[in-house]
Amino acid sequence: EAGVAQSPRYKIIEKRQSVAFWCNPISGHATLYWYQQILGQGPKLLIQFQNNGVVDDSQLPKDRFSAERLKGVDSTLKIQPAKLEDSAVYLCASRNPGTGANVLTFGAGSRLTVL
Amino acid sequence: QQQVKQSPQSLIVQKGGISIINCAYENTAFDYFPWYQQFPGKGPALLIAIRPDVSEKKEGRFTISFNKSAKQFSLHIMDSQPGDSATYFCAARSGGGATNKLIFGTGTLLAVQP
Repeated sequence: EAGVAQSPRYKIIEKRQSVAFWCNPISGHATLYWYQQILGQGPKLLIQFQNNGVVDDSQLPKDRFSAERLKGVDSTLKIQPAKLEDSAVYLCASRNPGTGANVLTFGAGSRLTVL
Repeated sequence: QQQVKQSPQSLIVQKGGISIINCAYENTAFDYFPWYQQFPGKGPALLIAIRPDVSEKKEGRFTISFNKSAKQFSLHIMDSQPGDSATYFCAARSGGGATNKLIFGTGTLLAVQP
């Protein structure tokens, strides 16, 4: 099966600019996650979707970050305006809760550098 | 309470040696403990996982030891190989079921020298 696709792989922007990341999960995976991985740290959950509904966005900085999964498949994570501390790799992961499996499959990530 | 503490931050092991990475947690509601392996430029990939009702799980050269009373678990890599060089993350599941929220440790950078 195809993996989790993410784009772009790399993005460099100036602070206060905006950026958007796209994720296409594994076909049939109803659960989709966005994680932020700052250099030298473990991934931190930003938001979790079940189909097109938000399950958990408690750690999403909602003043600048937004995410959507309109049709329950692809998802977009947006940052506006970006700050220097947003420099990180943004990882998308998906899971098929229907199988009972606990496995999250991650994409390769989108690396953001804010100058 | 929602943290998972991981050590060491980095580890150098000779080929054929044993690599040991430790994690500790506080929240007794955590119900699933996976280890993820991450190579540079790649996303984390599930390596092995354990539930708290089991004290040990072995898959090939990889073993998880779990101490429920101490709230600690560790990853042992036997006969470590240069190809095992990667960053390893422990994690713990919070919420269970539909939410399946993973909280990750800070990672251990493993270098296996030939």
